[in-house]
Amino acid sequence: NAGVMQNPRHLVRRRGQEARLRCSPMKGHSHVYWYRQLPEEGLKFMVYLQKENIIDESGMPKERFSAEFPKEGPSILRIQQVVRGDSAAYFCASSRDWDRGETQYFGPGTRLLVL
Amino acid sequence: DQQVKQNSPSLSVQEGRISILNCDYTNSMFDYFLWYKKYPAEGPTFLISISSIKDKNEDGRFTVFLNKSAKHLSLHIVPSQPGDSAVYFCAASEIGYGNKLVFGAGTILRVKS
Repeated sequence: NAGVMQNPRHLVRRRGQEARLRCSPMKGHSHVYWYRQLPEEGLKFMVYLQKENIIDESGMPKERFSAEFPKEGPSILRIQQVVRGDSAAYFCASSRDWDRGETQYFGPGTRLLVL
Repeated sequence: DQQVKQNSPSLSVQEGRISILNCDYTNSMFDYFLWYKKYPAEGPTFLISISSIKDKNEDGRFTVFLNKSAKHLSLHIVPSQPGDSAVYFCAASEIGYGNKLVFGAGTILRVKS
């Protein structure tokens, strides 16, 4: 009865490198959300995906960031050419359905540090 | 533009007493509200939610109150326990925007034994 899994838990990158963050939703969940938390702030919505579809990417920066949720395998949040401002905790959540009564269950997060 | 505000960065309460955490929002289109609890190095954990058609929802020691006219909600924890010490986030979602959550900045609750 595993919960939402995220890996790696900690990731260190140098400026200009790529960061790949993975999220495996709870069993039976086909909806995935990515949120970012900057220091001293709340979580900020980035993107909402269903299997093979991006439903809402209104919170995603237009450049360097992309997300996918393939038919098989985990959801991936990809950050190209990272900058120091990308240092944050990235949380993934999953839900069984899209309805607002459906609880979003969060993973433990990936803490990205850009040197 | 902070649509969900938690104006108290921290709160300290004695064990056994009531903890009251407050949250204000500015977007009148929000109609579903949630509270999450977060321990260090973990992800947020869902606590309790309330729809805008209600003004109160209770689950064990946790009660959420919603005042739509004031655009204010509060979470009451009674009695408070040391294990309740965590960061509490208020979140809201807007009709027509699916399950996208807007979070406040959080309140650190410390329950002293």
